[in-house]
Amino acid sequence: NAGVTQTPKFQVLKTGQSMTLQCAQDMNHEYMSWYRQDPGMGLRLIHYSVGAGITDQGEVPNGYNVSRSTTEDFPLRLLSAAPSQTSVYFCASANRAYEQYFGPGTRLTVT
Amino acid sequence: EDQVTQSPEALRLQEGESSSLNCSYTVSGLRGLFWYRQDPGKGPEFLFTLYSAGEEKEKERLKATLTKKESFLHITAPKPEDSATYLCAVCNNNDMRFGAGTRLTVKP
Repeated sequence: NAGVTQTPKFQVLKTGQSMTLQCAQDMNHEYMSWYRQDPGMGLRLIHYSVGAGITDQGEVPNGYNVSRSTTEDFPLRLLSAAPSQTSVYFCASANRAYEQYFGPGTRLTVT
Repeated sequence: EDQVTQSPEALRLQEGESSSLNCSYTVSGLRGLFWYRQDPGKGPEFLFTLYSAGEEKEKERLKATLTKKESFLHITAPKPEDSATYLCAVCNNNDMRFGAGTRLTVKP
């Protein structure tokens, strides 16, 4: 039982490049979410999903896309990276009580 | 708009010195208030869920309480291994809002 896994752990992008952050969970949770964490600002919700085929925007969705084709996977796509997207990204899945289990994070730098 | 404010930003305690962390919130429809612990370089780890005013939860040296406007995380006789950032979050219709956290340091 691996919980929530994220890849890659570190990534450096140039402005304008695109990439996908991968997230997978093996707990059969319907709810999955993506956050970014910046110093002094806590975790901010980017997008979330309440089940396969269903996604919705969180607090800071601009510049990011998501899809949910299976219960297990919830990738986050950066369409055209900007320096403002330099951050640590966390994926989480939650049980029916909304208790979230987080992955180890991806540290992204955009130059 | 839903808001979560945590205080203090940072707290330094001596081992054994009890204290409390505060989480004040405004939310239109509270589905739950959550406490997490985050160690440096790691993802947050779930601690407690509180659903209604007056509810209390305990785990080892930690006790969480909830009123209609705020939650407290009480730490009794802390140890150095309790050093971490403690995060508070509220859930309203699938939307999660986190506070900025309280960074706790416990000195031996």
